[in-house]
Amino acid sequence: GAVVSQHPSWVICKSGTSVKIECRSLDFQATTMFWYRQFPKQSLMLMATSNEGSKATYEQGVEKDKFLINHASLTLSTLTVTSAHPEDSSFYICSARNQGNTQYFGPGTRLTVL
Amino acid sequence: GENVEQHPSTLSVQEGDSAVIKCTYSDSASNYFPWYKQELGKRPQLIIDIRSNVGEKKDQRIAVTLNKTAKHFSLHITETQPEDSAVYFCAASINSGNTPLVFGKGTRLSVIA
Repeated sequence: GAVVSQHPSWVICKSGTSVKIECRSLDFQATTMFWYRQFPKQSLMLMATSNEGSKATYEQGVEKDKFLINHASLTLSTLTVTSAHPEDSSFYICSARNQGNTQYFGPGTRLTVL
Repeated sequence: GENVEQHPSTLSVQEGDSAVIKCTYSDSASNYFPWYKQELGKRPQLIIDIRSNVGEKKDQRIAVTLNKTAKHFSLHITETQPEDSAVYFCAASINSGNTPLVFGKGTRLSVIA
């Protein structure tokens, strides 16, 4: 199947700092990528839809100024958590859709904000 | 928008027995229904999917059924093994463009040896 990578796999940062997470589709082009957040023992909650060459579409309740998304190419989307706080600690997972419209997930990034 | 309900939230079965997980969806326009398996701390892995033009799909021990009229779909795992223990998520979407998957809340399956 298609491969989606994510970097870093885990990050620990101090409160108030910004963290950038990269999502790459390694063997296919993805005009659309999705960013999810998953808290322990909960389901995946969609944060935003990342569209190559245009602005991301954010879900209700997700602050666009706090979670900056950039989809600069057909294989790369980035999520920047700005001014991170402990409540932002979570498992962030991206996914990318291939031309067959099947969605593949990255391995996730575990963010811990101290 | 789409809403997906998933039951049960937890399921324990004896090794070798079958497991069934059920989901319902609200948007009649949805036409793509994948199932993902997620082990602790890992990414969700697509295990099977079904599109609205078929009613059933099978892949070895895993099968999915879809009832579009009733707007529900189910995952069936036969001859369960301990390695089937994980959290399973159903999802639904309109399978085109930038329409995202909407996930159920997940089912924690435990297969007891």
